[in-house]
Formats: sequence, C-alpha cells, structure tokens
Amino acid sequence: EAGVAQSPRYKIIEKRQSVAFWCNPISGHATLYWYQQILGQGPKLLIQFQNNGVVDDSQLPKDRFSAERLKGVDSTLKIQPAKLEDSAVYLCASSLDLSAYGYTFGSGTRLTVV
Amino acid sequence: KQEVTQIPAALSVPEGENLVLNCSFTDSAIYNLQWFRQDPGKGLTSLLLIQSSQREQTSGRLNASLDKSSGRSTLYIAASQPGDSATYLCAVYGGATNKLIFGTGTLLAVQP
Repeated sequence: EAGVAQSPRYKIIEKRQSVAFWCNPISGHATLYWYQQILGQGPKLLIQFQNNGVVDDSQLPKDRFSAERLKGVDSTLKIQPAKLEDSAVYLCASSLDLSAYGYTFGSGTRLTVV
Repeated sequence: KQEVTQIPAALSVPEGENLVLNCSFTDSAIYNLQWFRQDPGKGLTSLLLIQSSQREQTSGRLNASLDKSSGRSTLYIAASQPGDSATYLCAVYGGATNKLIFGTGTLLAVQP
C-alpha cells in the first residue's frame, strides 16, 4: 500500500510571500489531517477533513492559512502571506475514518521563512 | 484543554541500557494513547496504541503502560540499540475533543 505523499519536501521563502503544500492520502482514507510541527515541539493539528468537508479548523490561523480538499482526495494547504513564525514542518496524515486508529503520516514539508 | 507533557526532553544513554520515557496528560477522559517514533526528515510511525481500558501493550523490546486515572503513561525500551535513536512522541485521543493531541517529544540518542 502506498503511503501518504507530500510535496515539496523542502521550501524556503521570504516573509510575506505565499506558499502551497500538497498532500495525497492513502487511497480510500476518508479523513485527512494537516499538522504543524515547530522545531522542538509536538505536532499541532491545523485542520481536519472528512471527505471534502471540514471537521475541525479551530487552530488554523484563518487570516493567512487556507486549506481545501477537492473531491475528497488530494489536499492543499496555503499560507499567504507567510511570517517568520510559520517556519515549521507541515505534516499530512490520513485515516480510514474519524477515529483514533490507523493514522498514517507523510514525510512532511519543511518550510523555512526568511 | 488537554495538555500533554513528556519528560525528559532529551536523553542520551549507552547501548544496552534499559530506559523509560514519560508522558503525562491533564484530561483523563481519553479513548486511547499512542506512542510514535519520528526519525529526522521522516513522518511519524505508530509504535504502540493502548486503549483506555487497557493497562499496557508490548511489542518486541517496547512496553507501554497507561494509568488513566493519574494521567500518565510510560514507554519502556529494553536493551537499547543505536537504531532506537529518534524522537518519541506520545499522543492522546478523546477527552473534550475528538482529535489526536501530541506531547512535546523526547529526543533519544543511544550511543554505540
């Protein structure tokens, strides 16, 4: 079974620029998550989708972050404009459904904002 | 609000030692607790999952225990090896919000 695919692996941008990350979950997984992991901290959930609907986006900074999951499969996370404090690893994960089981994580995208 | 804390933040041990990583959480109304391993530049790999009704789970040299009432879990690694070097994260699911909440992680280095 193929894993969760993310791209790009690395991205360096200047502050105030925009950036987008892409995630392709495991086939058949209805639930998709985006996590932000700042260096030295644990991952923090930004947004959770069930199919193409948002279940939880309470910790998503909506003034600059946006995410979508078209057709309930692939997802993109966008930051516009980026701030220095957005430097982090952005992890995508998927699971079969809204439960605590069977999370599969991608390798992440490391974003550096300079 | 659920908060998950892990101590120590970093640990360095010689190969062959047994070691214990600690995790504590503030809201005991959880469905389960998981331990993950994270290698540099890679995603998270689930090691063990303990249901709220269970006391412990074992996989090979790893043993995780859960004391839900006191809000604590430990991950015991027997006969550590250099290949065990990684960041170990615990995460709880349930409580007030049905989402996975992670601890701050323990960075483990096993010296050959």
